[in-house]
Amino acid sequence: SAVISQKPSRDICQRGTSLTIQCQVDSQVTMMFWYRQQPGQSLTLIATANQGSEATYESGFVIDKFPISRPNLTFSTLTVSNMSPEDSSIYLCSVDPDSYNEQFFGPGTRLTVL
Amino acid sequence: QKEVEQNSGPLSVPEGAIASLNCTYSDRGSQSFFWYRQYSGKSPELIMSIYSNGDKEDGRFTAQLNKASQYVSLLIRDSQPSDSATYLCAVKKDGQNFVFGPGTRLSVLP
Repeated sequence: SAVISQKPSRDICQRGTSLTIQCQVDSQVTMMFWYRQQPGQSLTLIATANQGSEATYESGFVIDKFPISRPNLTFSTLTVSNMSPEDSSIYLCSVDPDSYNEQFFGPGTRLTVL
Repeated sequence: QKEVEQNSGPLSVPEGAIASLNCTYSDRGSQSFFWYRQYSGKSPELIMSIYSNGDKEDGRFTAQLNKASQYVSLLIRDSQPSDSATYLCAVKKDGQNFVFGPGTRLSVLP
């Protein structure tokens, strides 16, 4: 497995602003994933972030709204841009540390947009 | 048809009983199957993975996979109140991303 931390753990933001969420892993991993979990819902994959290349976004998610950086093998950021109340959600990063097709999740960032 | 389906629950069982959680999936080419436990306000935690037909046991947990029926289940023996959580089934095909089910909420009654 891997030890994953996220910052911030929670935030309350105003409509129209942006928030950058950080994800740090204690070991080098090839692939990092960003998910959204809306209240009472399951996990929805936003994008896959590989070091040194552009993130791959899932249908319904675009780079302008959710820009992602992956500067090295232990760190990634997700920005939620021009936020609206519909962006209120938990944002989770995950990694597959051993390439065994097992994903492990960070603690999540609980975002509330007013 | 949704890719991964689970009964939303809540599934209520008395303490000490066996809890049975079920999951069906639509993509017959799926190869890897996972059960995650998610406590309220927490992130998902991997508890079991299974790749071959049959049963896989880990402590009080048993995962069962039947690829012909496109069905995977999780049995929790001697259920404890601490097992009360939402259980997410996830399915993966090589070269593709995880697909998560909607989750089943389990409540173990003391």
